[in-house]
Amino acid sequence: DARVTQTPRHKVTEMGQEVTMRCQPILGHNTVFWYRQTMMQGLELLAYFRNRAPLDDSGMPKDRFSAEMPDATLATLKIQPSEPRDSAVYFCASGSGTGNTGELFFGEGSRLTVL
Amino acid sequence: QKEVEQDPGPLSVPEGAIVSLNCTYSNSAFQYFMWYRQYSRKGPELLMYTYSSGNKEDGRFTAQVDKSSKYISLFIRDSQPSDSATYLCAMRRSGAGSYQLTFGKGTKLSVIP
Repeated sequence: DARVTQTPRHKVTEMGQEVTMRCQPILGHNTVFWYRQTMMQGLELLAYFRNRAPLDDSGMPKDRFSAEMPDATLATLKIQPSEPRDSAVYFCASGSGTGNTGELFFGEGSRLTVL
Repeated sequence: QKEVEQDPGPLSVPEGAIVSLNCTYSNSAFQYFMWYRQYSRKGPELLMYTYSSGNKEDGRFTAQVDKSSKYISLFIRDSQPSDSATYLCAMRRSGAGSYQLTFGKGTKLSVIP
């Protein structure tokens, strides 16, 4: 059963601490997305990779957020230093990058609370 | 104005009711329209997909797209308690590499037995 795997599922940390979230996309998928979901803003695109190359990270606060794909099986999203306003659910999604639907498969999310 | 507008609800209906969920959008470049369903504390899952204008039916679900009005709808017939979830509309442009989805905020639906 192919699925996107995200860790950690829950993270509580204090302001100023570094947070790293990890994602294992579905094997064979070549597009990977990081979204942030809050009640106020809904799902916001943070970063987008295709074949491991970053294509769009315009939605990401550059001073504290960074996203990488060290290899095809791992995507990371790092926040340093974290702030209370970063509290949200962070979703990773992957897609095959082919076909008309461009369907994205989402992980179950990493719920971040910054105190 | 956000590119995609969706009433967040919440929407509460009795079991068996017909549900209508809607989104409006402003970017005329959007060509692919989708509805994702998100259960509590889970990730969104694709429910319906439509290309350009028209209707698409899948069981109790019907998706409609009116590009002239920049308006899309999802209808659920004979709603069931298991349909209780948040429904997010999503859309994207055409063209290779245009797989970024822009989402509405989602409408939270509760179907009461």
